[in-house]
Parts: sequence; structure tokens; C-alpha cells
Amino acid sequence: KAGVTQTPRYLIKTRGQQVTLSCSPISGHRSVSWYQQTPGQGLQFLFEYFSETQRNKGNFPGRFSGRQFSNSRSEMNVSTLELGDSALYLCASSPGTSGGADTGELFFGEGSRLTVL
Amino acid sequence: TQLLEQSPQFLSIQEGENLTVYCNSSSVFSSLQWYRQEPGEGPVLLVTVVTGGEVKKLKRLTFQFGDARKDSSLHITAAQTGDTGLYLCAVRMTTDSWGKLQFGAGTQVVVTP
Repeated sequence: KAGVTQTPRYLIKTRGQQVTLSCSPISGHRSVSWYQQTPGQGLQFLFEYFSETQRNKGNFPGRFSGRQFSNSRSEMNVSTLELGDSALYLCASSPGTSGGADTGELFFGEGSRLTVL
Repeated sequence: TQLLEQSPQFLSIQEGENLTVYCNSSSVFSSLQWYRQEPGEGPVLLVTVVTGGEVKKLKRLTFQFGDARKDSSLHITAAQTGDTGLYLCAVRMTTDSWGKLQFGAGTQVVVTP
């Protein structure tokens, strides 16, 4: 089955602009999580959405937001971009519920690499 | 202070050599996962260890979970260039948020021919 798809793969923005990233999870997966990966901080959890509701949020400023649609696709938005927001943004999907269907594995997309100039 | 301390940060070896990477913590975990991330890709799950003292093998990769469930190691025998990648350990910090993992900083492994 198709994997997690993230768009766009690469983008360049300038400070002060905003950006929207998109993630299509594996069919049937209801949980979508977003992570920021930088050389200095590694992989850091941004937030998780499950059935269109934010289930958990990491320690990021309010400029970072997200949403999930009824088809489980998710978007994240970063407003008023700063140089430090340059990173690889990874989306991961999973069935999202305990029990037989979910082995605890997260399935990651290839990421969206954001450069802020 | 990182919850999960991975060592070494970087490892460069030649094909055929063995290597071990470590993931340590002062906290006890119900399970621990290892992921590998290749350049331009997202992380891919290698294994989940659950029981203290557990040893799991995946071809040339051997994973061990410490008896006290505070640490884990990954041993690669006769490394190949295809083993090159960033090895990440991760734990799930809450049972009510399946997608929230805490990752270590990772060990960058480079295997040269």
C-alpha cells in the first residue's frame, strides 16, 4: 500500500512569511504526527492529530499549528517564519489506537525541507 | 539533559567490521524502539523491544534491552555499506498519544567500502 506522502519536498521562504505543509497518511491510519528535525535539536515532536482532534502538543510556540481533515490528511502551518525554523519537517502516521491493529510503529514520510532566508 | 543519551554520536567503519551503538537513560521504559534514517528519507522502524533482558535479531543486527529497561544497544555484525544511516532510539512517553515519541539525538553510522 502507498506510504506517507508529504508535499512539498523542498521549499524556500523568507523571514516573516508563512508556510503550509501537507501530509497524506497511509490509508486507514487515523493518527498523524508532525516532527521537526534539525542538526542541533534532533527529532522533536510538534503535535499529533487523531480523528480531526489534536491529541497532544509539543513545546513549540503558537506560530506552529496544524489540523486534520475528515479523510485523515493533515496540514501544518508555520506563521511569521524565523531563521531558526529552517528544518526537515516529518509527518508520521499510525493506526493510532492500542490493540491488535497498532504495533506502536510510526510510518514516516520523506519530509518537507524548509529553508528560511 | 536528553532523556535518551545515544553514543557515540558518529561512527565511521569499514565494511566487514562490527559496531555497537548505545541508548541510555536514567528512566525506566515499558518499551523502546530503534529506527534507521537514510539520507533523504524518513526514519524506518527496525525493532521494538519490550521485555527487560530481551534480545532480538534482525539479520546482522542484534538489539538488546537492558535488564532494568533503562538502556538498549544495537550491534551490527560484518557491517555493509547499506547499513549507513542515522540510528535513532525512541520511547513512547504516554499511552494516550500514540504518535508522540521521544527520540535520542542519534548515532550517525558511515560504512565505507
